[in-house]
Amino acid sequence: DTAVSQTPKYLVTQMGNDKSIKCEQNLGHDTMYWYKQDSKKFLKIMFSYNNKELIINETVPNRFSPKSPDKAHLNLHINSLELGDSAVYFCASSRRWGLQETQYFGPGTRLLVL
Amino acid sequence: GDSVTQMEGPVTLSEEAFLTINCTYTATGYPSLFWYVQYPGEGLQLLLKATKADDKGSNKGFEATYRKETTSFHLEKGSVQVSDSAVYFCALISGGSYIPTFGRGTSLIVHP
Repeated sequence: DTAVSQTPKYLVTQMGNDKSIKCEQNLGHDTMYWYKQDSKKFLKIMFSYNNKELIINETVPNRFSPKSPDKAHLNLHINSLELGDSAVYFCASSRRWGLQETQYFGPGTRLLVL
Repeated sequence: GDSVTQMEGPVTLSEEAFLTINCTYTATGYPSLFWYVQYPGEGLQLLLKATKADDKGSNKGFEATYRKETTSFHLEKGSVQVSDSAVYFCALISGGSYIPTFGRGTSLIVHP
């Protein structure tokens, strides 16, 4: 049973296209996150939702738009893709929003923009 | 703002060697501290955590102690195995923002 799943696993696309990445968690968690990991493995938080409400929106271009249809799903839509968007995108979840909460990560979506 | 500093890698060791990966932090309030591990091609998974000063987190032979006086959370293992080869991330969640902050990761390569 996959706890946090993402689709697709790989995404190769042309500059200027629009694409979406889907994430689902079956852990019953309240909080979900999107992270971007660059080629040097640096991991940066992008967004977080708690009970379907946006609570973290870091300095991310507004071409990136998250959507949480319910607590178990957090999708990421990217408009007008640029070369610099190439990275691995990780979805994660935690039981709730809080100080001691462990993050559970998905397997990642490897995005390559040509 | 909050930040986590880890030693740069890669760290290259022979099997059964002693491992230390240094981690220091700055944070608002008293953070919770975590070590995550990322195996090739996978997402991160929790290795251990500590939520208050002097707590020791431990798992799979790895240990780290929350040192408030030195703002550190160094990861140690007495005898590494080839299967420990991975990237290790130190992270914190501070009481000021509740935003998770990760270090840049340290790659560990263990040779037989």
